[in-house]
Amino acid sequence: IVLTQSPGTLSLSPGERATLSCRSSQSFDSSYLAWYQQKPGQAPRLLIYGSSSRATGIPGRFSGSASGTDFTLTITGLEPEDFAVYYCQQYSSSPVTFGQGTKLEI
Amino acid sequence: QVQLVQSGAEVKKPGASVKVSCKASGYTFSNFGINWVRQAPGQGFEWMGWISLNNGNTDYAQKFQGRISVTTDTSTSTAYMELRSLRSDDTAVYYCAREGLPVAGPGGWAWIYDYWGQGTLVSVSS
Repeated sequence: IVLTQSPGTLSLSPGERATLSCRSSQSFDSSYLAWYQQKPGQAPRLLIYGSSSRATGIPGRFSGSASGTDFTLTITGLEPEDFAVYYCQQYSSSPVTFGQGTKLEI
Repeated sequence: QVQLVQSGAEVKKPGASVKVSCKASGYTFSNFGINWVRQAPGQGFEWMGWISLNNGNTDYAQKFQGRISVTTDTSTSTAYMELRSLRSDDTAVYYCAREGLPVAGPGGWAWIYDYWGQGTLVSVSS
């Protein structure tokens, strides 16, 4: 399953709303999609699983949704620490695959 | 707290092998599987392989079949990934990731990567 993320880079300011897209080449249940955040030199951090469930400790400004083969990560009220690269991942079928990432920059 | 601490950076020549370790702490090691994922410079993530801590079963991505081995040492709560016959395009940061969060869906249970190691840079160059 190929996941295509858009845009490649998103330039926004603190306080704004970010909308990141992940489109799948095949249909699968929304239970099987996750979002990760990665900052330079760090390991990925799980944000969202099951398309819309926040992982432990993730602030409420992060939310996820799904519609068919389109998945969306929304960050409302960007904080300075939110500027990073975001990846979607499907775990519906093996091998698990990741999108190529969206860089969220100030 | 859960931690996965990986071994340090490696520099290898083409044709050599590398073995990366991933030491777990803060949880019962034998309760969760471990996956290995790599990230080439400026690229996305690529799943490489998995080991079950229940029965030692492994599964590898087709492109690495025959070149990769994933093992564990439960006495030290450490997982290992060995990659052989290294090529320059194996230059990447290698991560271990615990599949610690179960999710139920219509297709059955799936496991989410909830904790990752800090990554190990493997550079392959002549």
